[in-house]
Amino acid sequence: GDSVTQMEGPVTLSEEAFLTINCTYTATGYPSLFWYVQYPGEGLQLLLKATKADDKGSNKGFEATYRKETTSFHLEKGSVQVSDSAVYFCAFYNFNKFYFGSGTKLNVKP
Amino acid sequence: NAGVTQTPKFQVLKTGQSMTLQCAQDMNHEYMSWYRQDPGMGLRLIHYSVGAGITDQGEVPNGYNVSRSTTEDFPLRLLSAAPSQTSVYFCASSYVRDRTRFEQFFGPGTRLTVL
Repeated sequence: GDSVTQMEGPVTLSEEAFLTINCTYTATGYPSLFWYVQYPGEGLQLLLKATKADDKGSNKGFEATYRKETTSFHLEKGSVQVSDSAVYFCAFYNFNKFYFGSGTKLNVKP
Repeated sequence: NAGVTQTPKFQVLKTGQSMTLQCAQDMNHEYMSWYRQDPGMGLRLIHYSVGAGITDQGEVPNGYNVSRSTTEDFPLRLLSAAPSQTSVYFCASSYVRDRTRFEQFFGPGTRLTVL
């Protein structure tokens, strides 16, 4: 069935380090792909999205490219900040349903 | 715009009790959905609706009912609460007619504890 697999956390980085959070998906057809972020005690917020193959979504220094050949949508940021500490969820939308990964907690230390 | 609102923010129930979690949106979105978030499991879809009068089941629908009588409201009913339903519940809405504009807006969540 349809599903999302993302790397387990927590991921702990020092400020200004490079971030990669891996995400792969299993889906029929041509899903739209998303990264959401959740800060403590809050709901999810859209971070970026891509709706077709080879699209790159970007926002706040974060980037992810829709790779249909590898069914992946890895999240990257060149230089993380303490304020990026949160839980990140990979997700896709297909045939009226949203599927989420289990989330990756990111801790950024000063 | 208030966006997506949920009430209550916290709730404690006893096993067997019933209750309704309220969700409303003021963005005229056709699509609304309910999720539960459990530690280490991400968000799982309970029920969703693509418009007033239309609802369908998600991944984990058992023990929950929904209805969509208006575009704005999408209440989630727990029929007979069980400890396994202890979770954080999120409601979300989206405009779906244009795939490139699809983006789910989430409410702040309801933290439910069933004793």
